[in-house]
Amino acid sequence: AQKITQTQPGMFVQEKEAVTLDCTYDTSDPSYGLFWYKQPSSGEMIFLIYQGSYDQQNATEGRYSLNFQKARKSANLVISASQLGDSAMYFCAMSYYNQGGKLIFGQGTELSVKP
Amino acid sequence: GAGVSQTPSNKVTEKGKYVELRCDPISGHTALYWYRQSLGQGPEFLIYFQGTGAADDSGLPNDRFFAVRPEGSVSTLKIQRTERGDSAVYLCASSLSGGPNTEAFFGQGTRLTVV
Repeated sequence: AQKITQTQPGMFVQEKEAVTLDCTYDTSDPSYGLFWYKQPSSGEMIFLIYQGSYDQQNATEGRYSLNFQKARKSANLVISASQLGDSAMYFCAMSYYNQGGKLIFGQGTELSVKP
Repeated sequence: GAGVSQTPSNKVTEKGKYVELRCDPISGHTALYWYRQSLGQGPEFLIYFQGTGAADDSGLPNDRFFAVRPEGSVSTLKIQRTERGDSAVYLCASSLSGGPNTEAFFGQGTRLTVV
């Protein structure tokens, strides 16, 4: 069964504007972590941000923030002040606390930043 | 460099042949993961090593796929009797401990094409 859903196959944003990439997940396990990774055309997956299921505060890392709504099972990524170099595929992923860091990925959202 | 290294970067093989894909993780990382990424999809988990042992091989699709990590560092993913459906990018990742909130560092992948 699909555990991570990213409903936006492609998104466009104007340079310097903010953009939100959606991610919902499905689990009955209370102990999990949520990740966002960026994959440029070079193919390497780059870690952006992490949110634990017990974390009270939303995670932030520079221009990236994670809008964690536990009751809605959503973990949207917000990128502020978009840059041309942000154009890439973005993947939401989940791990369970008892599964050793194994990641379950969504299908991704392709973000294009327009100058 | 100090990142995860995968070789070869590209491999073309004929249907029915045997292939080996190599992953050299970051020095000191005990956890190593293999994922497979088909075109337009998110990565799918294959196998997870903690040290020399396979802690979770639940993602291996069938018995044609096998992976080893004999000395707890370099890992080799082996595919026997390749099929056209095996064509994909094979990604390797490593993390310091394999904990659920531990950042995984990915290599650039091996693009396997079975003709």
